[in-house]
Amino acid sequence: GAVVSQHPSWVICKSGTSVKIECRSLDFQATTMFWYRQFPKQSLMLMATSNEGSKATYEQGVEKDKFLINHASLTLSTLTVTSAHPEDSSFYICSARAPRGNTEAFFGQGTRLTVV
Amino acid sequence: SQKIEQNSEALNIQEGKTATLTCNYTNYSPAYLQWYRQDPGRGPVFLLLIRENEKEKRKERLKVTFDTTLKQSLFHITASQPADSATYLCALAGGFKTIFGAGTRLFVKA
Repeated sequence: GAVVSQHPSWVICKSGTSVKIECRSLDFQATTMFWYRQFPKQSLMLMATSNEGSKATYEQGVEKDKFLINHASLTLSTLTVTSAHPEDSSFYICSARAPRGNTEAFFGQGTRLTVV
Repeated sequence: SQKIEQNSEALNIQEGKTATLTCNYTNYSPAYLQWYRQDPGRGPVFLLLIRENEKEKRKERLKVTFDTTLKQSLFHITASQPADSATYLCALAGGFKTIFGAGTRLFVKA
């Protein structure tokens, strides 16, 4: 199956700093990628849809100036958490749709962000 | 608003038995429904997809049913093994986005 790689797998940062998370589709081109956040024992919450070559589409309640998304190529999308605060600590996961259709989604391994 | 409900309680079963997980949804008419497996600290892994016009789908020890009248899907793991212990997520897709349930934690005891 298609492979989506996410980096880093975990990161600890100080309050007020910014953190960048990368999401790469390794063996297919993804014009669209999705960024999710997951708190313990809760479902994946869609934060935004990342579109190659254009602005990301954010879900209601997600601050676009705080969670910067860049999808500069067909294989890479980045999520930057700016001015991070402890409440931003969470598990962030990206996904991309299977290249042959809009069905199966392939997920990255996730990034555990801890803001201290 | 759209809502997906999965058993919030963890499911504990004995090895060799069949595990049955439930997914109910409201205010949504998905074109298809998916089941994913998620291990702690990992991203979800796709297991099965069933379309709105399908009643049942099987893959090895897995079986999924989809009742669009009841707005419910059942996910079965037959001859369960300790390695099947994980959280199982139900996901609905009717367009561009996918909506996930909170998942059900399954523990299979040897």
